[in-house]
Amino acid sequence: AQRVTQPEKLLSVFKGAPVELKCNYSYSGSPELFWYVQYSRQRLQLLLRHISRESIKGFTADLNKGETSFHLKKPFAQEEDSAMYYCALDGNTGFQKLVFGTGTRLLVSP
Amino acid sequence: DGGITQSPKYLFRKEGQNVTLSCEQNLNHDAMYWYRQDPGQGLRLIYYSQIVNDFQKGDIAEGYSVSREKKESFPLTVTSAQKNPTAFYLCASSITGGYTFGSGTRLTVV
Repeated sequence: AQRVTQPEKLLSVFKGAPVELKCNYSYSGSPELFWYVQYSRQRLQLLLRHISRESIKGFTADLNKGETSFHLKKPFAQEEDSAMYYCALDGNTGFQKLVFGTGTRLLVSP
Repeated sequence: DGGITQSPKYLFRKEGQNVTLSCEQNLNHDAMYWYRQDPGQGLRLIYYSQIVNDFQKGDIAEGYSVSREKKESFPLTVTSAQKNPTAFYLCASSITGGYTFGSGTRLTVV
C-alpha cells in the first residue's frame, strides 16, 4: 500500500531560521515524490518534484530511498513562506494518481 | 486563461438531498480527479477518470458518484448516502508532471 506520513501538523519558526518539513513514505516500488503548497486564499499548487531536482523559492527536497524520506528544506525562512504544505507520492505505474500526506502548516513569524 | 474552474465556491445542502459539484477544465488534460480535504486528514481521493467515459473509485467513493461524458467536465454528485458530506472538495487534472487544482467548493450540510 502507498502511504505518505507528515508527522508535524504545525511548524512554527522565526524569519531567517532554517526550515525542514518532514515527509516519509511507504511504497515497495520506485515512486515519484512531490511537494504541493497552499497559500492563504489560493489554490493548491505544485512546489517541486524530486525528478526535476529544482530549487523553487529557495526550497529543496532530496529523495532518500534508504530512509524513504523526502523532506522539504529551506535555509532561511521568509514570512511569505507561511502556508500549508503537502507531500505527495505517485506510484509511477503509468497513470498518475497521487497519495497525499496530511499536511504541515508552516508559520513564519517576524 | 487556461485552468480548472470549480463551481459553486460555496454550497449549502439540506440533509437528504443530492447535490452536484461542477468541475470544468480547458487544459486538454485526459485525467481528472476529485479529492476531499478535511482538517488533519489531508486530501483523500474520491474518484478519478483517466479518459472520457471511464472512471474509477478512489479510497472514499461511498456516497459519491461521477460522470465523464466530456473531456472537459467531471462533475461530482454528493448523494444522501454520504454520511458526512460537509467538507472542502477539490478537483484536479493532469497530463504529466503533477496536478493542476481548482479553487475548490466548500459544501455544508444544514
